[in-house]
Amino acid sequence: RKEVEQDPGPFNVPEGATVAFNCTYSNSASQSFFWYRQDCRKEPKLLMSVYSSGNEDGRFTAQLNRASQYISLLIRDSKLSDSATYLCVVNRDRGSTLGRLYFGRGTQLTVWP
Amino acid sequence: NAGVTQTPKFQVLKTGQSMTLQCAQDMNHNSMYWYRQDPGMGLRLIYYSASEGTTDKGEVPNGYNVSRLNKREFSLRLESAAPSQTSVYFCASSYLAGGNNEQFFGPGTRLTVL
Repeated sequence: RKEVEQDPGPFNVPEGATVAFNCTYSNSASQSFFWYRQDCRKEPKLLMSVYSSGNEDGRFTAQLNRASQYISLLIRDSKLSDSATYLCVVNRDRGSTLGRLYFGRGTQLTVWP
Repeated sequence: NAGVTQTPKFQVLKTGQSMTLQCAQDMNHNSMYWYRQDPGMGLRLIYYSASEGTTDKGEVPNGYNVSRLNKREFSLRLESAAPSQTSVYFCASSYLAGGNNEQFFGPGTRLTVL
């Protein structure tokens, strides 16, 4: 079973729409959680960390459910510039796996005018 | 600040050839990483260096070696390239390993092995 599973999409939404991405992780020892964004043929960049109580950054809201091992990202009022691949990432932070990030395959989003 | 830089940007090799991918960061980070990204697979960790002087295997280390030359530089060597090593290679760095330390990625090297 993969460490991190994501629906690859693609998601095609109009500007202004709200879209949600989901992700599950397999190892309950996972400690830190992130969403990274990757534009076409570019490197991944951190979008936001995900905290246990949920957190918001402008139009973006991330939630974590440790009991279900589930992470979500909600994008409100989508912009054309939000078109990218969104990567769900976890870090186990224990012993020999310290510092290792486990990436999902990514969910592709296209926002159309 | 240039952040994380990688050379070369593109490379074509023949099976059996060797090459070294170079990575440098100017953010005074302690930890550095090498990943490969293949279609449908997501990024996978090849090797990492939690601090200067240490290196550890990641998920897919076979066929690769690394050198943490100093705090700034971390190179990845393919001794005898194989077509299965055709991929996009990303170097990354973070202030420390683990926790909520953000990893910053270089622009990638696109490698094709014929």
